[in-house]
Amino acid sequence: AQSVSQHNHHVILSEAASLELGCNYSYGGTVNLFWYVQYPGQHLQLLLKYFSGDPLVKGIKGFEAEFIKSKFSFNLRKPSVQWSDTAEYFCAVNKKLTGANNLFFGTGTRLTVIP
Amino acid sequence: DTAVSQTPKYLVTQMGNDKSIKCEQNLGHDTMYWYKQDSKKFLKIMFSYNNKELIINETVPNRFSPKSPDKAHLNLHINSLELGDSAVYFCASSLGTSGYTGELFFGEGSRLTVL
Repeated sequence: AQSVSQHNHHVILSEAASLELGCNYSYGGTVNLFWYVQYPGQHLQLLLKYFSGDPLVKGIKGFEAEFIKSKFSFNLRKPSVQWSDTAEYFCAVNKKLTGANNLFFGTGTRLTVIP
Repeated sequence: DTAVSQTPKYLVTQMGNDKSIKCEQNLGHDTMYWYKQDSKKFLKIMFSYNNKELIINETVPNRFSPKSPDKAHLNLHINSLELGDSAVYFCASSLGTSGYTGELFFGEGSRLTVL
């Protein structure tokens, strides 16, 4: 079965520190990859997505992610975090060309940024 | 204008009751979803409808019954509520299988508390 792993459960950083959140998936076929963010008390919002092409994708608010096919990974990065980045971050994977539009989510990583 | 809207935002009820959560999207999408987020923030798909037709039905108790009167609405009815049903329920929508890119647009969630 397809699964998505986020190994960091809770990450605590000081402002201006660099961030990298890990995401690995288990599906061997062609996939679409996503990072969603959920700010406290809010709904999920798309940060960035990868479908094809350049494996380094840039998203909103200075976030980027790199798809490494050989490692089945799609890690999220930001060079310098801000207090406002405190949120829950979810990696998600969806199989391409499937009739069932099912997005599989990881268990999330809580990021706390200390001012 | 809110793209995906859910009502109610908060719902507190007793065990054994029946309740409904409504969802509407004004994005012109033809696929809608219900996701359940548990207390550990894990997101799991429950149902997906494409043009009013059920296409994903995960292993959800049959006390949960989705209804899609048209492609802009997907309601969730829950019978005989149990303590374990307490969660945040997110509605989402996306483009359908033709032109599908995998991106989901989420509502703000409905927090259900069963006492």
